[in-house]
Amino acid sequence: DSGVTQTPKHLITATGQRVTLRCSPRSGDLSVYWYQQSLDQGLQFLIQYYNGEERAKGNILERFSAQQFPDLHSELNLSSLELGDSALYFCASQWNTGELFFGEGSRLTVL
Amino acid sequence: AQKITQTQPGMFVQEKEAVTLDCTYDTSDQSYGLFWYKQPSSGEMIFLIYQGSYDEQNATEGRYSLNFQKARKSANLVISASQLGDSAMYFCAMREISSGGYNKLIFGAGTRLAVHP
Repeated sequence: DSGVTQTPKHLITATGQRVTLRCSPRSGDLSVYWYQQSLDQGLQFLIQYYNGEERAKGNILERFSAQQFPDLHSELNLSSLELGDSALYFCASQWNTGELFFGEGSRLTVL
Repeated sequence: AQKITQTQPGMFVQEKEAVTLDCTYDTSDQSYGLFWYKQPSSGEMIFLIYQGSYDEQNATEGRYSLNFQKARKSANLVISASQLGDSAMYFCAMREISSGGYNKLIFGAGTRLAVHP
C-alpha cells in the first residue's frame, strides 16, 4: 500500500461528458503528480502541484484541468471527453529522493 | 530534452534464473536520479529501486539490483532468481528538473517480462 488514495477505481462514461478524478497523497506529502497511461502513449506526465500551487505542466490538454485543495487532496477534471481519453490515470506523491509513490489508478473508459 | 529508452518490448526468463532489463538515458544534467517501477497486470505502479547519479555503488534491493554505467548512460535492472510473480511490465524512469526547479519523472516505454515455470 503506497498510501496514495485514488477514487474512483473504474469509471465508464460517454463522449462529450465530464468526469472528476480524486487523489489524496500520502500523509505529510505536499506534492501531487498526475500521469496518464494509455496503450499507445505509455506514461505521460500531466501536471504537478505542491502545497496547492501548480509547479509543472506536461502534456495536459486544455480540456483537462486540475487543482490541489488546502487539505492537499487533488482533483483532475476531464471535460468534453473523447474516445482517446480512455486511459489509466495515476496520481502520485513524492519522497525526498525523488521516487514517486503511485495510487492504484483510475481506469477511465469513454464509450 | 531528457529521454529514457527501453529497447526490449518483451522478455521472457525461466523461473529461478536471472534476467537483465535494459535502460539507457540521455541527459545533460550532472545531477539526476534513475528509478525502476514494476506494473503487474492489476495495474498499480510499484517502486523497486533508485540510483543517484553520484552514487558510486550500484543500488540493490533484495533480488533487484541496478547495473549503473554512467559513461554509457545505462541503468539496467537485474532481477536474480526470477519468480512467477515477477511477471509484469517494468518501467525505467529518470528525474527531470522542470524550468521552475521542481522534480518530475519521465518514463521509458516499458519492458514486459514473462517468467516461465
